[in-house]
Amino acid sequence: GQQVMQIPQYQHVQEGEDFTTYCNSSTTLSNIQWYKQRPGGHPVFLIQLVKSGEVKKQKRLTFQFGEAKKNSSLHITATQTTDVGTYFCAGFSGAGSYQLTFGKGTKLSVIP
Amino acid sequence: GAGVSQSPSNKVTEKGKDVELRCDPISGHTALYWYRQRLGQGLEFLIYFQGNSAPDKSGLPSDRFSAERTGESVSTLTIQRTQQEDSAVYLCASSLSGGAVGELFFGEGSRLTVL
Repeated sequence: GQQVMQIPQYQHVQEGEDFTTYCNSSTTLSNIQWYKQRPGGHPVFLIQLVKSGEVKKQKRLTFQFGEAKKNSSLHITATQTTDVGTYFCAGFSGAGSYQLTFGKGTKLSVIP
Repeated sequence: GAGVSQSPSNKVTEKGKDVELRCDPISGHTALYWYRQRLGQGLEFLIYFQGNSAPDKSGLPSDRFSAERTGESVSTLTIQRTQQEDSAVYLCASSLSGGAVGELFFGEGSRLTVL
């Protein structure tokens, strides 16, 4: 079945440093979504990428979808303490499947 | 309601008992998902509903797990003869339509502890 791998599992950064998490799928994806889960909270949607090579920005967050639609990344510039949480990618393969398969997430800690 | 509502928020049960977890999706959302999240882990897909049919039950871990949905509304996830490994947060999410068309809105989850 479809697998979505995400690295790193944990990342500790000093406030102001940049942060990147990477997502790789075993199959070509129809689209990819990113979610953020604050400690003790539930996942909250950040963005969806659909097109090959797509790049989207939300303030300090930059999301990329690979040319082959099998990988994606989330980059945060100049992290702040409010960025703390676990970032999940989630891929949908389409082709008759209804599963939105989540990666295991990257837990970001920001040291003030 | 304004968001996805799940109940109970916390459930402690003894091994071997049955539990029912309930999810009220956002009104008008036809797609509904159940996920399981063990402590510190990612989200494990359980089942997907489109309307009241379940075209994808492939994630249910065993025949002790079942789920149903009435109309395009409430869904219930039932775990029979609970085991300690069933301890987790069970998350429900709804979406305006199924497939790869949009964001999932998650509830706060039901935390299940099996003693």
